[in-house]
Amino acid sequence: DAGVTQSPTHLIKTRGQQVTLRCSPKSGHDTVSWYQQALGQGPQFIFQYYEEEERQRGNFPDRFSGHQFPNYSSELNVNALLLGDSALYLCASSLRTGYNEQFFGPGTRLTVL
Amino acid sequence: AQKVTQAQTEISVVEKEDVTLDCVYETRDTTYYLFWYKQPPSGELVFLIRRNSFDEQNEISGRYSWNFQKSTSSFNFTITASQVVDSAVYFCARGVLTGGGNKLTFGTGTQLKVEL
Repeated sequence: DAGVTQSPTHLIKTRGQQVTLRCSPKSGHDTVSWYQQALGQGPQFIFQYYEEEERQRGNFPDRFSGHQFPNYSSELNVNALLLGDSALYLCASSLRTGYNEQFFGPGTRLTVL
Repeated sequence: AQKVTQAQTEISVVEKEDVTLDCVYETRDTTYYLFWYKQPPSGELVFLIRRNSFDEQNEISGRYSWNFQKSTSSFNFTITASQVVDSAVYFCARGVLTGGGNKLTFGTGTQLKVEL
């Protein structure tokens, strides 16, 4: 049973560019959440997708957007990259109902130069 | 913002020692969940335990145990007979169902180093 997978593993971009990160949830999960983890910090909630709609959003600007596909996979898009966007981006999947634990992928390390 | 606080930045122990990681949370919700996750150097967050706000019974699972006290808003995590493989960053998190979603709020983590 495959867990949560993310691609790419590492990414280097320059300021002002745009980036797309991808996530495939754990088999049987229908909800995908994205988190940003700066170095030495805990993960910060970006947004959550269910039934192809954004259900909840954290305190992140509109430069951060996402999408969920019918197969439950998801993308995170970041426009007009800033140096401060350099971080580990974690995708987590879960079941929609109740307080189910979220299972995390290995993350994508984004470096903005 | 309702915070999760992990006051211990870094803890170093010798193998086989017991170690307790502290977590204090803020919440205005009556229904919530608390979690502990482990993040080894590889970076992937690994789920360890979950406790709901209605159940203050403390449990033991193998070498792991936890102490949940609503009166003090604390959710401490203990590793018994620590091993070198336990070395990682440990995060406490609170989950709340709001706005149709169940986001997690994490603490800043405690770096645990277990040495021989």
